[in-house]
Amino acid sequence: EVHLVESGGGLVKRGGSLRLSCAASGFTFTSYTMTWVRQAPGKGLEWVSSISSGGTYIYYADSLKGRFTVSRDDAKSSLYLQINSLRADDTAVYYCARVATYCGGDCSFDYWGQGALVIVSS
Amino acid sequence: DIQMTQSPSTLSASVGDRVTITCRASENINSWLAWYQQRPGKAPKLLIYKASTLESGVPSRFSGSGSGTEFTLTIGSLQPDDFATYYCQQYNTYWTFGQGTKVEIK
Repeated sequence: EVHLVESGGGLVKRGGSLRLSCAASGFTFTSYTMTWVRQAPGKGLEWVSSISSGGTYIYYADSLKGRFTVSRDDAKSSLYLQINSLRADDTAVYYCARVATYCGGDCSFDYWGQGALVIVSS
Repeated sequence: DIQMTQSPSTLSASVGDRVTITCRASENINSWLAWYQQRPGKAPKLLIYKASTLESGVPSRFSGSGSGTEFTLTIGSLQPDDFATYYCQQYNTYWTFGQGTKVEIK
């Protein structure tokens, strides 16, 4: 069974940094593109970043480029998101998800973690 | 960037109703569209991909249609578990979500 478990969330001061982790199990992690999606309180879903298998290709939402860094450790079946210079509007639940492969490229997100809450305080 | 617009933003319905949600893309995305259901406090769940293919385990009362720029999600007979927020997502070029449609009890 596929499991994705995020960790590393919490209360952080504005201007600080945070590293989120996502531990994957139940599938061959090295074969999949992985992604981060966030959701501010009471708001919709926002795609943040994706990283291909092996880390060859990395993508970021245009509005978030510069402060976010995605990475993966295939030996540990883990995905990471480093966020620097945290702002109040980074307050959100951050989900990791697996990108399905049925379409021959990067497709929809078929499995999601439970999310990690990041609160940026002033 | 491809923009996704859902309508309505909120929908009030009763158990047993047939419900339709519309999603419009700002440019042609072929059939690279997915629908997700999100219940309060939970992670999103994939319902439909490639515009009309039902994800394994999803009840057959859910269906999707459309291609190009216009898409619909239909719930054939609304059940109590279906009161939730629904999002469309394009994956033709990177990924973009619609703003969501909340289905609430009438």
